[in-house]
Order: sequence, then structure tokens, then C-alpha cells
Amino acid sequence: AQSVSQHNHHVILSEAASLELGCNYSYGGTVNLFWYVQYPGQHLQLLLKYFSGDPLVKGIKGFEAEFIKSKFSFNLRKPSVQWSDTAEYFCAVKYRGGADGLTFGKGTHLIIQP
Amino acid sequence: NAGVMQNPRHLVRRRGQEARLRCSPMKGHSHVYWYRQLPEEGLKFMVYLQKENIIDESGMPKERFSAEFPKEGPSILRIQQVVRGDSAAYFCASSPPGKQGILFFGSGTQLSVL
Repeated sequence: AQSVSQHNHHVILSEAASLELGCNYSYGGTVNLFWYVQYPGQHLQLLLKYFSGDPLVKGIKGFEAEFIKSKFSFNLRKPSVQWSDTAEYFCAVKYRGGADGLTFGKGTHLIIQP
Repeated sequence: NAGVMQNPRHLVRRRGQEARLRCSPMKGHSHVYWYRQLPEEGLKFMVYLQKENIIDESGMPKERFSAEFPKEGPSILRIQQVVRGDSAAYFCASSPPGKQGILFFGSGTQLSVL
């Protein structure tokens, strides 16, 4: 079955620390990859996406993610986090030609301490 | 441009009652998705609809759950004879034509079954 794994359920960092959240997906052919973010009290919103082309994608608020096909990974990174980055982060995959819905990971709860 | 609107935000039902969750997609969006989130779990795809059509219901439980997206009016997720295990957050998302995977989420409906 298609699945998405996020390695860390809870991450606590200090401001200005670097961030990397892991995401791996099960093999299933060609994929579209996404990171969604849910800030406290708000709805989920798209952070960045990869469809094709440059495997290093830039998103909003200084986030980026790198698609490594050989590792089935799409890790999210940010060089220097801010307190306002405290949120829940979800990795998601759409398998082209597969079911129409996105397959989501369980999420990573990121807490940034001032 | 209003976002995806879900109501109610919170819904309390007793076992055996019916729950009706409503979702109005963003203006111009013709695709609606329903997801369920259980505690400590990621978002689970339930169903994908376009106007008057169910496109993919591979994530819907076989019994008691149904969804519709009529020509006029919001999409409805209906759960008959609710049980305690149905308690969860139910999220609706919409996407514009030709941009599947780029989802705009509502704030969700928290269903509590007593």
C-alpha cells in the first residue's frame, strides 16, 4: 500500500537553529510531492510542491525541500527557524495514475522556543 | 475570495444519530476532497468529488458513510448511525480545475460521538 513516513512526530528547536524534517514515501512510480503546514488555530496550507524539474524546490517563508528519487525522500529544510514557524508539518504524495487523493504522513509537530 | 468553508466547526452526536458535515469549496473550484484525521494520525483520504459525481471513494468506509456534491449547494459528508470510533476531525479541501494536488483546506469539523 502507498504510504508516507515522517520520521519525527515532535521536534523542539531554539530560534535560529537549522531545521530538517524527514519524509519518505513508498515506491509507486512517478509522484508529485507536497509539504503542508498547519499553524496553531489555522487551516492547512500549502508550503511547497514538487511536480518535475529542479529537485530542489523553494517554498514560502524560507522553506525548501529536496526530492531525492533514489531515496524516495522529500525532506523539508530551513536554515534558521523562527518562533513563528511553530506548527504541524505534513508531507504528502500524489501517485500519478493512482487514486486521486493525496496520501499524507502523520505529521511533525514543530515547536520553536524563543 | 472566501476560503473553503466548513460547518459546523464542532458537532456532538450520540451513538446511533446521524452526522452531516458541510463544505463549500473556494469560488471557482470544482473539485472537493474529504479527509479524516484521528488523534496522533495523519490525514486519511476518504473521497474525491466533482459536481454531481463521485470520482474516487476508495477511502470511504463501506457502510454508514456517504458523500455528495450537488450541482447547487455545498458538499455533504453524511455519517449514519455514528459510533464512538467516528470521533475525529473531518477536513474538506478543494482544488481548481487542472491543479489536482494543490489543495486548499477548510478549518475542519470536529465530530465528537458520546
